[in-house]
Amino acid sequence: DADVTQTPRNRITKTGKRIMLECSQTKGHDRMYWYRQDPGLGLRLIYYSFDVKDINKGEISDGYSVSRQAQAKFSLSLESAIPNQTALYFCATSPMTSGTYNEQFFGPGTRLTVL
Amino acid sequence: RKEVEQDPGPFNVPEGATVAFNCTYSNSASQSFFWYRQDCRKEPKLLMSVYSSGNEDGRFTAQLNRASQYISLLIRDSKLSDSATYLCVVSRDDKIIFGKGTRLHILP
Repeated sequence: DADVTQTPRNRITKTGKRIMLECSQTKGHDRMYWYRQDPGLGLRLIYYSFDVKDINKGEISDGYSVSRQAQAKFSLSLESAIPNQTALYFCATSPMTSGTYNEQFFGPGTRLTVL
Repeated sequence: RKEVEQDPGPFNVPEGATVAFNCTYSNSASQSFFWYRQDCRKEPKLLMSVYSSGNEDGRFTAQLNRASQYISLLIRDSKLSDSATYLCVVSRDDKIIFGKGTRLHILP
């Protein structure tokens, strides 16, 4: 079974709709991240969370919000989807280690299309 | 100047050849360095960490040059299965920066 799961895997929606992407992990990691990936732009960080009470904006948080419901769950919401939010979205986790970076484990991705 | 830069490629290399690519970083305070591999439409996965002394894992060798602020990845005896995008990752404190990736195509 996958350690980091994302639902849905694919979603097509219309402009103005509210969308929630969900991420769950069984790795027991404290840190969770949401990224989007666009052709030619690489991975860009949207939001990240170091524990249940900690939420931080990333590079491109405008138009998105997140909720860390539990250590294992981190959801990303698009309150009013727009076409330029069409992208591949990845959730990732990593263990908590003071002051250093550890390997990130990515979910399989959600392909979102906003018409 | 972007914080992490990679040649996007694609590098088209015959099977069995050796290929190398670099990644440059702009912040001298960067602490940790990694190479990730990403297959088409799949999630990135850690290929290897990059240590100051250099490190090798089978056909893959990673090097760090702090003076010139770049890391490199060398693949020997390339296989068709090495075709992928290779992402350079640089971190300092809790900030993580992904390069845009270098595409590698191994040709039969």
